[in-house]
Amino acid sequence: DAKTTQPTSMDCAEGRAANLPCNHSTISGNEYVYWYRQIHSQGPQYIIHGLKNNETNEMASLIITEDRKSSTLILPHATLRDTAVYYCIVRVGRQLTFGSGTQLTVLP
Amino acid sequence: GAVVSQHPSRVICKSGTSVKIECRSLDFQATTMFWYRQFPKKSLMLMATSNEGSKATYEQGVEKDKFLINHASLTLSTLTVTSAHPEDSSFYICSGSDTGTGLFFGSGTQLSVL
Repeated sequence: DAKTTQPTSMDCAEGRAANLPCNHSTISGNEYVYWYRQIHSQGPQYIIHGLKNNETNEMASLIITEDRKSSTLILPHATLRDTAVYYCIVRVGRQLTFGSGTQLTVLP
Repeated sequence: GAVVSQHPSRVICKSGTSVKIECRSLDFQATTMFWYRQFPKKSLMLMATSNEGSKATYEQGVEKDKFLINHASLTLSTLTVTSAHPEDSSFYICSGSDTGTGLFFGSGTQLSVL
């Protein structure tokens, strides 16, 4: 399985952009990068996914490097409610294998 | 996004009893469902994968006779924890996959075995 590496924790000021990095240097050409987040004691919430092009939706933007070995999730204007654990996952087949994620804390 | 409904959200049971957790896909057909468990401050660990109408595939170390999975329809999968013990106390989460690239999670079930 392609594995991902993320920082354990990050802080971000409320209203500022939160940039969450992820390394996935062993990713294969047809494997997607998915981002989910989990707020305490809830199920993971889908954020965004991409293959090789940058993607944007109402929640976030996903920037994937040209060599696809890393990506960055961008929350453009972080709020206190964005405090959560963010998981970057390379999807193999139909299942998702979760790593340890990044605890993002948005500070007032 | 698509909705996966998981019930109950919280259950407390006595040691030795069995507990059933339901996972329903409300607005899509989940050809594949996944069951995860999560211990406090840990990441999600995949327990098993179930395809509609066939037997579930369990991850290494997960006892299939203890964690019974039924995926009888395209919208319903159940996980039954049989003869529960305190060490089975955990947060259980299901997810459903449609035929596309979507994978959607339930809200989780906190199981506490006394």
